[in-house]
Amino acid sequence: EDQVTQSPEALRLQEGESSSLNCSYTVSGLRGLFWYRQDPGKGPEFLFTLYSAGEEKEKERLKATLTKKESFLHITAPKPEDSATYLCAVQWNSGGSNYKLTFGKGTLLTMNP
Amino acid sequence: DGGITQSPKYLFRKEGQNVTLSCEQNLNHDAMYWYRQDPGQGLRLIYYSQIVNDFQKGDIAEGYSVSREKKESFPLTVTSAQKNPTAFYLCASSILFSGTTQYFGPGTRLTVL
Repeated sequence: EDQVTQSPEALRLQEGESSSLNCSYTVSGLRGLFWYRQDPGKGPEFLFTLYSAGEEKEKERLKATLTKKESFLHITAPKPEDSATYLCAVQWNSGGSNYKLTFGKGTLLTMNP
Repeated sequence: DGGITQSPKYLFRKEGQNVTLSCEQNLNHDAMYWYRQDPGQGLRLIYYSQIVNDFQKGDIAEGYSVSREKKESFPLTVTSAQKNPTAFYLCASSILFSGTTQYFGPGTRLTVL
């Protein structure tokens, strides 16, 4: 069973059509939840870090929110340049002083021209 | 201009060869990481280092080796024991190991001929 699940796997939007990407997790002992954007053939680019339920962060057309078991990345009035794969990662305490960072498989966002 | 550099961008390996991927950071981060990315899978941790001269195995360390002789550098060697090395390799660093954001380099694509 995946510990971090992202949905949908792929999303196609029209320019200006707002939507949300979901990241749900089953791990306990959350230390932080991270959102990244990745363009093809490049390394992930950091977007947001969330540490506790109720926290929200915004950057341009993106807004990330966190509850006890999931996070949403809201994209408002997206533009063609928002096309990318969006990755979610959860850092959690795996026992003692051991911490793990587990990534979801990502959501591929494609903007229709 | 701070950041993480990886070289080479593309690498081709013949069967039975060992190859070394370079990762350098000038962010003064203590922790460094190596991940492997395959299509349709989340990033998987190969090795990580919390401090100079110390490193630990991640989830898929078999067939790989690392060293951490300098704070700035964390090279990864893909040995001939790694049976399926073709993948996109990503290096990351963070200020500390726990709960802090990991920043990624641009990646190295390794192909076995």
